Amino acid sequence: DAKTTQPNSMESNEEEPVHLPCNHSTISGTDYIHWYRQLPSQGPEYVIHGLTSNVNNRMASLAIAEDRKSSTLILHRATLRDAAVYYCILRDLNDYKLSFGAGTTVTVRA
Amino acid sequence: NAGVTQTPKFQVLKTGQSMTLQCAQDMNHNSMYWYRQDPGMGLRLIYYSASEGTTDKGEVPNGYNVSRLNKREFSLRLESAAPSQTSVYFCASSFGSTNTEAFFGQGTRLTVV
Repeated sequence: DAKTTQPNSMESNEEEPVHLPCNHSTISGTDYIHWYRQLPSQGPEYVIHGLTSNVNNRMASLAIAEDRKSSTLILHRATLRDAAVYYCILRDLNDYKLSFGAGTTVTVRA
Repeated sequence: NAGVTQTPKFQVLKTGQSMTLQCAQDMNHNSMYWYRQDPGMGLRLIYYSASEGTTDKGEVPNGYNVSRLNKREFSLRLESAAPSQTSVYFCASSFGSTNTEAFFGQGTRLTVV
């Protein structure tokens, strides 16, 4: 399985943007890049996913490098509710599994 | 709109006891998953069911069995609980395509003493 590498933790101030990097140098052509987050004492929730092009939704933006070996999740204006563990996951087109790594713990300062 | 429902929410077992964790989804999803999450760790896949009638092992299947009872329900059974199985268990479901999102339940916190 292709692996991802994320920083262990990041801090941000409220109402400032947060850029969460993810490296996936062994990504294959059929791997989708998914992001999930897990708020304290809750199950993970979907944030965004993409294949090659940058993606935007109401929660975040996903910027994918041209060679697809890295990506960045962008939270445009962090709120206290965005404090969570963020997981970057590669999901193969032909594989039903969704495998989680350690993720990045995001702390938001008021 | 219930989504993914897990029962029970909390459970304490004695070593050697058995129990079944229940999971049901009302989104007509094809695929369902069981994960465990130990304190301070990420989620690890125990078993998954790509579609009704099929089940496959994940990363940590030892000590567990699963049943895909129908399209809605996917249960996880511990035949002889051990303290090492103390964890939070999450069930998830997805439509099946990797181009769709997975939805997670709120978890079952299991303690084996």
